[in-house]
Parts: sequence; C-alpha cells; structure tokens
Amino acid sequence: GDSVTQMEGPVTLSEEAFLTINCTYTATGYPSLFWYVQYPGEGLQLLLKATKADDKGSNKGFEATYRKETTSFHLEKGSVQVSDSAVYFCALRRLSGGSNYKLTFGKGTLLTVNP
Amino acid sequence: SQTIHQWPATLVQPVGSPLSLECTVEGTSNPNLYWYRQAAGRGLQLLFYSVGIGQISSEVPQNLSASRPQDRQFILSSKKLLLSDSGFYLCAWTDRGHYSNQPQHFGDGTRLSIL
Repeated sequence: GDSVTQMEGPVTLSEEAFLTINCTYTATGYPSLFWYVQYPGEGLQLLLKATKADDKGSNKGFEATYRKETTSFHLEKGSVQVSDSAVYFCALRRLSGGSNYKLTFGKGTLLTVNP
Repeated sequence: SQTIHQWPATLVQPVGSPLSLECTVEGTSNPNLYWYRQAAGRGLQLLFYSVGIGQISSEVPQNLSASRPQDRQFILSSKKLLLSDSGFYLCAWTDRGHYSNQPQHFGDGTRLSIL
C-alpha cells in the first residue's frame, strides 16, 4: 500500500538557520504530494502542494519539489523564524477508487526554532 | 469561500459517558468528509470518511461511530467513552471530484479528555 516516511524529529534550529525536512513516499501511479503544518493546539493547514513530477510547491518561504526519480518531496526553507515552530506533515493522495479519496500521512516532524 | 467548523473545541468527559462531536462545512456542496484522531504523539489516524449523505466508511474497529445526516454535516459519536478515546479529533473535507490534486481542509479540532 501507499506510505509516507518523514525524517524523525524533533528538529531544533536557531533562528535564520536553513531547514530541510526529508520526505519519501511509496505509491503506485502518480500521486499528488502535500505538506501540512500544525501549530500548537490547532488543526492542520495546507502549506504547499505539487501534483506532478518536477513541480515545485512554495508558500511562506517554504519550498518542496516533486522528485519522481527519488520518490521524494523534501521541505526546505532558507531562513526559519521562531513562528515556524510547529509539526510538519508530508502527505500523498492517490485515487483509491470511486470518489473516496484518502490522504496517506507521514508521522509528522516537530520543528522548534529558538531565538 | 469554504469554511469548516468543529465544536466543541475542548471537552472533558467521564468514562462511560456518551459523546457527540459535530462538524459542518460551508461554501461547498457534496464534499467528502473525514474524521481523524491524533493521539499521544503526532500521528494522524483516519477513523471514518463519507462520500455522501448516509454513506459512512469505517477505517478501524473501535468504540466510535459516525453519521452524516445532511450533506455538509458530519457527526462523531460514542455510546460509552473509554479512556483510550482521549485525543485530538479533527474533521476534514475535500471537494468531490475525479482529480487527485485536491487537498483536504481541516477544522480546528476538538481536544477530548476522558477522566
């Protein structure tokens, strides 16, 4: 079945450091890929997405490129801020059949940014 | 624009009591609806999803049930809560359609504590 593997956290960085959170996936066909962010005590918010190979999703300074050859969708940001502290989830979506679409999530990576 | 509402935001219930969590979506029609639980740690577990009124699919056997009495209303219930039902419950929706590039959109969640 489909699966998403994220790097184990927690990740602790200083403000203005470079961020990479690795995400690799296993799926048949051509899934769409997403990064979600969850701030403490809140629901998940869509951060960015990519729908086909070599697509680059970007939002709020975060970027991720859909690499089909390496089945990866790594999240990057050039300079993190304290306000980026959150849990980040990588996810994929593949048509399961009919209209019942499901997302497969990674386990999440906790990011803490210190001033 | 579309919005999703969950309530209550926080709930403390004794073991053995009933449960009803409600989720409604505005600004769209015929959405797919989802209930997730996020237990200790960060992982997401899909509990139920629905592709239409009265159509419920269960992902895992458990003490909970779901219903969809109206197109944009999704209810999570239990007749008798267990300690293991504690967690953060998230409702989500996505457009019905035949394309896999549509993300799920999440509510703010309900923090359920069982005493």
